[in-house]
Amino acid sequence: QVQLQESGPGLVKPSQTLSLTCTVSGGSISSDTYSWTWIRQHPGKGLEWIGCIFYSGSTYYNSSLKSRVTISIDTSKNQFSLKVSSVTAADTAVYYCARDAGSGSYGMDVWGQGTTVTVSS
Amino acid sequence: QSVVTQPPSASGTPGQRVTISCSGSSSNIGGNYVYWYQQFPGTAPKLFIYRNNQRPSGVPDRFSGSKSGTSASLAISGLRSEDEADYYCATWDDSLSGWVFGGGTKLTVL
Repeated sequence: QVQLQESGPGLVKPSQTLSLTCTVSGGSISSDTYSWTWIRQHPGKGLEWIGCIFYSGSTYYNSSLKSRVTISIDTSKNQFSLKVSSVTAADTAVYYCARDAGSGSYGMDVWGQGTTVTVSS
Repeated sequence: QSVVTQPPSASGTPGQRVTISCSGSSSNIGGNYVYWYQQFPGTAPKLFIYRNNQRPSGVPDRFSGSKSGTSASLAISGLRSEDEADYYCATWDDSLSGWVFGGGTKLTVL
């Protein structure tokens, strides 16, 4: 059974870069079937898709965040990562990683438990 | 403001049938499947309905999804207290080339 686990600093200073890693266990990240996705949820708010990456390295990003976001993949470690640059308090959120089986299939079917990131000096 | 719209709240008494709507456009719901997620406070969302009306194993058949045109809905029959949660619809948007979520509906069992 595939499981995902987010990790990274819980506190980031304004203007710095937020960096998170998602470790995939119980299955290979090197699959044509899935892409690997980041979603965030601001405190008390709804869900926001950040972007996704295929094992080939192809990426799709939310246009509202595209200029500040980079998603990368490390197949040797079965991990994928998120970087958000020039963060502000508006980037304070719970960040989730998820497996995406595709919009014609099961969608985002497996999620990590989420990690809270606070942007504050 | 999300391109996909849900009512912020819904409620019902135990045993009742409740419906949560999700409204979009031709670039998202109109041309793509709709997914529903259930989320309890402090926990990650869980896939509840996929491809408009399919239930993953473990999801009770009291829950059903449907889609018509640019709108979708999640129906819960025989409402139970444990159904009290936030529900989000999601779909791919062809214009944005990304997933979009509805704003979420908080379901309260009175």
